[in-house]
Amino acid sequence: GESVGLHLPTLSVQEGDNSIINCAYSNSASDYFIWYKQESGKGPQFIIDIRSNMDKRQGQRVTVLLNKTVKHLSLQIAATQPGDSAVYFCAENPSGSGGYNKLIFGAGTRLAVHP
Amino acid sequence: DTGVSQDPRHKITKRGQNVTFRCDPISEHNRLYWYRQTLGQGPEFLTYFQNEAQLEKSRLLSDRFSAERPKGSFSTLEIQRTEQGDSAMYLCASSAKTGKHEKLFFGSGTQLSVL
Repeated sequence: GESVGLHLPTLSVQEGDNSIINCAYSNSASDYFIWYKQESGKGPQFIIDIRSNMDKRQGQRVTVLLNKTVKHLSLQIAATQPGDSAVYFCAENPSGSGGYNKLIFGAGTRLAVHP
Repeated sequence: DTGVSQDPRHKITKRGQNVTFRCDPISEHNRLYWYRQTLGQGPEFLTYFQNEAQLEKSRLLSDRFSAERPKGSFSTLEIQRTEQGDSAMYLCASSAKTGKHEKLFFGSGTQLSVL
């Protein structure tokens, strides 16, 4: 069935290092992908998005890469900070969702940043 | 703070009781979503409103669940005859369509525990 999954459930990094969080998706018809950050006790917070006609998009300290050939999505965080510690979700929006956000989320990766 | 408010933040109830949650979206947003999130999992789509019209309901939304958005502003989600399997975080999100894809802004959720 349709699903969005993650390779690593937990990622530990040193403060200042770069982090890479990976995600595999299975619905080749999805045309829009989003990364969310969720801190304890809060709802998901939008980080960055990418459309299927792109393979890379950069934000402030974050970069999303999309490889449609192997249906893989990654989030790169530069100079990881303690405030980046959270659970990160990738989500896809199938193109047949009627133009609204019937998102399919993965299970999440916990990022732990150590000083 | 994303501007989406949910009340209550926590709800503990006994099996068989009815519960109602409220969501106040960002005021200019005409789209409102309900998602459900269980521990360690990503959010799952439940239902979607455009203004006061409920346009889609997930198969996850059994007959015991009902959502309303009577004036196209705040929304309520009611669960009747709660079951232990209903224990989860119920997330509300809102958005305004400004293009093909819009950003969802999530509230902090209502954590439901059914004893």
